[in-house]
Amino acid sequence: LAKTTQPISMDSYEGQEVNITCSHNNIATNDYITWYQQFPSQGPRFIIQGYKTKVTNEVASLFIPADRKSSTLSLPRVSLSDTAVYYCLVGDRERPKSGGSYIPTFGRGTSLIVHP
Amino acid sequence: EAGVTQFPSHSVIEKGQTVTLRCDPISGHDNLYWYRRVMGKEIKFLLHFVKESKQDESGMPNNRFLAERTGGTYSTLKVQPAELEDSGVYFCASSQDGVGYTEAFFGQGTRLTVV
Repeated sequence: LAKTTQPISMDSYEGQEVNITCSHNNIATNDYITWYQQFPSQGPRFIIQGYKTKVTNEVASLFIPADRKSSTLSLPRVSLSDTAVYYCLVGDRERPKSGGSYIPTFGRGTSLIVHP
Repeated sequence: EAGVTQFPSHSVIEKGQTVTLRCDPISGHDNLYWYRRVMGKEIKFLLHFVKESKQDESGMPNNRFLAERTGGTYSTLKVQPAELEDSGVYFCASSQDGVGYTEAFFGQGTRLTVV
């Protein structure tokens, strides 16, 4: 699996846009980029997934440049409740082949703290 | 639809005792994963079931850990005998067969404290 690098922590204020960038220089052709969010005392929760260009849902946007060696999770107008750890994962979305398995693999994540 | 549920939410046991954690995945999800987060560390993969079969157990720390998934439904993770370093939060996740990596749904976790 491709290794990912993210900031350890970020601080923001309510109402601001937050962009968290993840580096994945050795991303493979079949790899997708997935972001999870984890609140204290809870399990990680899927936010968004993409392969290239831009993906947007009701929670966030994901920007992926043409070379796919990095990706940026964008949270518009954050609130206090967005304080959480955000994980960037990279891996193959296709069915595992014989003897293989595809496992969400977590790094340290980015701890986002939103201040009033 | 119920999400992934784990039981108990917290467990405090003495070193040398046995503890069994349970995970009920989302109905119809063939993939079931166990993870562990030790305080201050990353979330680490333990093992992966596809239905009742262990697909990958490369993350299991040692033979004191035994995971089962009877009938491809719920799963249990038994620690026997428990050691101090087994303390942490144990997460279970499930995903649909064929979807693989796309989206795994996580439970709330079981916080295990070994004293």
